[in-house]
Amino acid sequence: GQNIDQPTEMTATEGAIVQINCTYQTSGFNGLFWYQQHAGEAPTFLSYNVLDGLEEKGRFSSFLSRSKGYSYLLLKELQMKDSASYLCAVSDSNAGNMLTFGGGTRLMVKP
Amino acid sequence: EPEVTQTPSHQVTQMGQEVILRCVPISNHLYFYWYRQILGQKVEFLVSFYNNEISEKSEIFDDQFSVERPDGSNFTLKIRSTKLEDSAMYFCASSEGVTNEKLFFGSGTQLSVL
Repeated sequence: GQNIDQPTEMTATEGAIVQINCTYQTSGFNGLFWYQQHAGEAPTFLSYNVLDGLEEKGRFSSFLSRSKGYSYLLLKELQMKDSASYLCAVSDSNAGNMLTFGGGTRLMVKP
Repeated sequence: EPEVTQTPSHQVTQMGQEVILRCVPISNHLYFYWYRQILGQKVEFLVSFYNNEISEKSEIFDDQFSVERPDGSNFTLKIRSTKLEDSAMYFCASSEGVTNEKLFFGSGTQLSVL
C-alpha cells in the first residue's frame, strides 16, 4: 500500500513564500504530482517530479528527494487566489501507475 | 485548452436507484479514469480504463460499479444500486498515456444519495 502525509492546513500572508511538505511511502515509486484544488472544483495539475531535485515553473516550484520519500511545493509571491487545497499524489508502478492522493493541504492566504 | 467535460454537474437520487455519470474525455487521450471525493476527504481512485477494458480498479469499485465507453467520445460510470455512502463528488479524468502522464480532470458530478 501507500502512505502519503501532508499538513492539513497552512496560513500565509499575501506576497510571502510558503512551503508545503509531503512525505510518502510506496513500493513502486514512479513519480510525484502536485495538484491545486479550489473548493468545489476539480484538481488542476501544477507539477511533476520523478528525478531528485527542483522543478521550477513560474511562482511555483516542486522538489523531490526519492531517498527520503519527501517532496515540497514552494509558492512564491503569494496571491489571494492561491488560497486553495494543494494535493500531493504519488504514482505507483506496482498499481498500474494509478495516482494515490494525500489528504491535501488547505492554504489560506491572508492580506 | 481542451478539457474533460462531465454531466450532470449535480445528481440527486434515492437510495437503491441506478445512476449513470457521463464524461467526455479529451479527444486524443487514450486513458480514462474515475476518481471520487467524499466531502472533506481525499481524492480516491476508483478505476482506470484503456483500450475498451478496465486496466486497474480499487477496492471501492465493487460489483455495484461499472464503466463503459459506449461510443467514440463518451465514458460513463454506472452505480447500479446507490447507497448513502456513495454520496460524493465524482471526477472523470483522462491522460494521453499511462506512465508519468498528468491527468486532466473534469469539473465533477456531485452525487447526493438520499
